[in-house]
Amino acid sequence: DAGVIQSPRHEVTEMGQEVTLRCKPISGHDYLFWYRQTMMRGLELLIYFNNNVPIDDSGMPEDRFSAKMPNASFSTLKIQPSEPRDSAVYFCASSSGQGPTSGNTIYFGEGSWLTVV
Amino acid sequence: AQSVTQLDSHVSVSEGTPVLLRCNYSSSYSPSLFWYVQHPNKGLQLLLKYTSAATLVKGINGFEAEFKKSETSFHLTKPSAHMSDAAEYFCVVSPNYGGSQGNLIFGKGTKLSVKP
Repeated sequence: DAGVIQSPRHEVTEMGQEVTLRCKPISGHDYLFWYRQTMMRGLELLIYFNNNVPIDDSGMPEDRFSAKMPNASFSTLKIQPSEPRDSAVYFCASSSGQGPTSGNTIYFGEGSWLTVV
Repeated sequence: AQSVTQLDSHVSVSEGTPVLLRCNYSSSYSPSLFWYVQHPNKGLQLLLKYTSAATLVKGINGFEAEFKKSETSFHLTKPSAHMSDAAEYFCVVSPNYGGSQGNLIFGKGTKLSVKP
C-alpha cells in the first residue's frame, strides 16, 4: 500500500496568498484527519471526516481555514488568506473501522511543511 | 476526562544502552494506547499499540511497552539504543469507546538523542 499521500511536501508563500494542501488517504479507510503540528502547540486536530462527511471541525482555527472531501480518495485543506502564524507542518491521516478512538491505528502522511512569509 | 503526560521532553542515551521513555495517562474508560515515532522531516509512524490484549506489547525496531493499569503508565523501552532511534516519540491515548475521534489525545513528545 502506498500509504497516505500528501502534496505539496514543502510550500513557501507570501502572506495573503491562498494555500491548498492535498491528501490521498489509504484506500478503504473511512476516516480522514487533518492535523497541524507546531513547536508551541504540538499536534492539534483541525478536522476529521467519516465517509467523506465532516464530523468535527471544532479545531479549525478560523474562517480562513476550510477543508473538503469530495470523494473517498481525496481531501483538501485550504487557507485563504494565509498569515505567517499559519506556518506549521500539516499532516493528513487516515484510519479504518471505528477509527482510532476504538483502537484502530491511525496512519499519517509525511506532512506538508508550510512557511508563510 | 482523558490526558496523557510524557514525563521527559528530552532523553539522551549512549548507543548500546537501554532506552526508557515514560508515559502516564488518565482515562475514564479502558483505553487503547499507542506509541508513534517521528523522524526528522517525516510523518508519524506507529511503533506499537495496546488494545486490552497482552499487557506487554512488542513493536517494531526492538521497542516494547508495558501497560500497567495500577500505575496508569505505558512506558516505552528498548534494551539497546541504535543511532537510527534518534527521533521524537509520541504517546497517544484513546478512550476506546468510539465517539468523537477528537478525543484521541497526543502527548507533547519526547525527543530521543543517541550519542555514539
